[in-house]
Amino acid sequence: GDSVTQMEGPVTLSEEAFLTINCTYTATGYPSLFWYVQYPGEGLQLLLKATKADDKGSNKGFEATYRKETTSFHLEKGSVQVSDSAVYFCALNSGGYNKLIFGAGTRLAVHP
Amino acid sequence: GAVVSQHPSRVICKSGTSVKIECRSLDFQATTMFWYRQFPKQSLMLMATSNEGSKATYEQGVEKDKFLINHASLTLSTLTVTSAHPEDSSFYICSARWATGEKLFFGSGTQLSVL
Repeated sequence: GDSVTQMEGPVTLSEEAFLTINCTYTATGYPSLFWYVQYPGEGLQLLLKATKADDKGSNKGFEATYRKETTSFHLEKGSVQVSDSAVYFCALNSGGYNKLIFGAGTRLAVHP
Repeated sequence: GAVVSQHPSRVICKSGTSVKIECRSLDFQATTMFWYRQFPKQSLMLMATSNEGSKATYEQGVEKDKFLINHASLTLSTLTVTSAHPEDSSFYICSARWATGEKLFFGSGTQLSVL
């Protein structure tokens, strides 16, 4: 079945460092891909999405490009801030928007 | 943005007891709510989908008699873990959307520990 694999955390970075969180997927058909973020004590929030191959989703300085050839959707940010500390979930939709399939989440900790 | 409130955030209970988790949409009418479960270091897994006023649809492998879902109003869905056992210890998250909306809004999750 469809699945999402993302790098295991925690990822610990200093402020202004470059961030990459890897995400690969397995899916039949052509899913849409998402990154969700969960800040401490809050619900998951949609960070960005891409609906077709080569699309780039971007928001709040984060970017991810839908790579069909490598079945990947890696999350990147050029300069992280302490406020980016959160858990990041990669996801795809399978069989309609209801059926979101998530990765295990990657915890990011950014230190001053 | 829309807010989904989930309570409690953490619960510890004895084996054999039942636990109820509430999920409320605070500023919109949630015609559909979803319940997810996450075991440590594993993916967030969809357990069931509930539409207001009708029975929930459970994913394969999820016991409907153990995980009772009620979605009696447009702003409230509850998940009751009946006769909880240590293997039910997990992180449970709800999400909600309104009828024509694409976006999903998530609760902050409930960490259940069964002793």
